[in-house]
Amino acid sequence: KNEVEQSPQNLTAQEGEFITINCSYSVGISALHWLQQHPGGGIVSLFMLSSGKKKHGRLIATINIQEKHSSLHITASHPRDSAVYICARGGEYGNKLVFGAGTILRVKS
Amino acid sequence: GAVVSQHPSWVICKSGTSVKIECRSLDFQATTMFWYRQFPKQSLMLMATSNEGSKATYEQGVEKDKFLINHASLTLSTLTVTSAHPEDSSFYICSAEGLAVQETQYFGPGTRLLVL
Repeated sequence: KNEVEQSPQNLTAQEGEFITINCSYSVGISALHWLQQHPGGGIVSLFMLSSGKKKHGRLIATINIQEKHSSLHITASHPRDSAVYICARGGEYGNKLVFGAGTILRVKS
Repeated sequence: GAVVSQHPSWVICKSGTSVKIECRSLDFQATTMFWYRQFPKQSLMLMATSNEGSKATYEQGVEKDKFLINHASLTLSTLTVTSAHPEDSSFYICSAEGLAVQETQYFGPGTRLLVL
């Protein structure tokens, strides 16, 4: 069992739909990261959160420390949101990140 | 936001040669840099953690004599793949963390290595 589990593995949505990607982890953490990887490979750090909720544009990330669960939401999805979304936990081993397998999102117009 | 660059973005080399990949933090001092490898359709795997001025810490299963890491300054870390073989073909990504941006890792764009 991976320490960081993401669901779904693949997600296809229509433009404009509200999207949720989930992440569960098995050990206590100091921070949970959400990353975006585009087809070219480059990675962008979207959020780092240790409690509550953060919002940036159409993206919202929430975390429930007690339940060891985080969600990434995309409102009014757009084809340019198509990418792989990866959650990663930091903490136990200091600042090393442990990555989930990623969620492949495709938004169709 | 903080910017991390990698060079080269693409490299093709012959088996047996060595390849050096640079990772630079452009607008902040990176006390720690991380090197990751990503095979197709897989997630990132941490190879090593590099702190400025000290030896890198390698993850289990990563050969330190094959993947030489140097973090000689607060803005530059290099990964040298020595005597590369086709199985070393992969996507190599670095990330950097600095004092001012602690716990947030900024990722480089990655280097795609193809060993023929």
